[in-house]
Amino acid sequence: SQQGEEDPQALSIQEGENATMNCSYKTSINNLQWYRQNSGRGLVHLILIRSNEREKHSGRLRVTLDTSKKSSSLLITASRAADTASYFCASRDYGQNFVFGPGTRLSVLP
Amino acid sequence: EAGVTQFPSHSVIEKGQTVTLRCDPISGHDNLYWYRRVMGKEIKFLLHFVKESKQDESGMPNNRFLAERTGGTYSTLKVQPAELEDSGVYFCASSHRSSPSGNTIYFGEGSWLTVV
Repeated sequence: SQQGEEDPQALSIQEGENATMNCSYKTSINNLQWYRQNSGRGLVHLILIRSNEREKHSGRLRVTLDTSKKSSSLLITASRAADTASYFCASRDYGQNFVFGPGTRLSVLP
Repeated sequence: EAGVTQFPSHSVIEKGQTVTLRCDPISGHDNLYWYRRVMGKEIKFLLHFVKESKQDESGMPNNRFLAERTGGTYSTLKVQPAELEDSGVYFCASSHRSSPSGNTIYFGEGSWLTVV
């Protein structure tokens, strides 16, 4: 499997529901970051969680990190149609390496 | 403060032609990165500059790709000659000099390249 692999690869939910996306990575990391990409647009940084942190919140976003399992999850609560986008995790090791996963395509239906 | 800017935003060229993509990082950011996402696949690292020096170019696919960052400010990525499989979106990103592995890196909107 590839480093920074997201699960699921595609997710459809109704507006107001919560969306959970998971990410796994292989090597030891300094931090892990989540990005969003709207169709035809660039990558927008959402949240960074450091290796010594277990959970972080930002608005409707909640990120967890389990370094023992080399995994992270992104939870979007009370989803909106505007949350429709692709979401990527990117693991950052202690060097310069910053590895993205294939992304999860989230569709929030009105 | 202006973000990372990339030019052109979209480009359509014929196979065999040359394209040059430009990236202007956030002012004061010494670290500059190029990534690309080809055909809806994962986003892959191409190379990393620290100021004008190439810190890591292990992700460059082949010698048809040439990146420069003269003067340590903006960077260019030239593809010559372009092939069909080069189609995709090329992202540039930058981060502050201190603790590059710990800081957030900021991405541009990407340069969307289509080779026909």
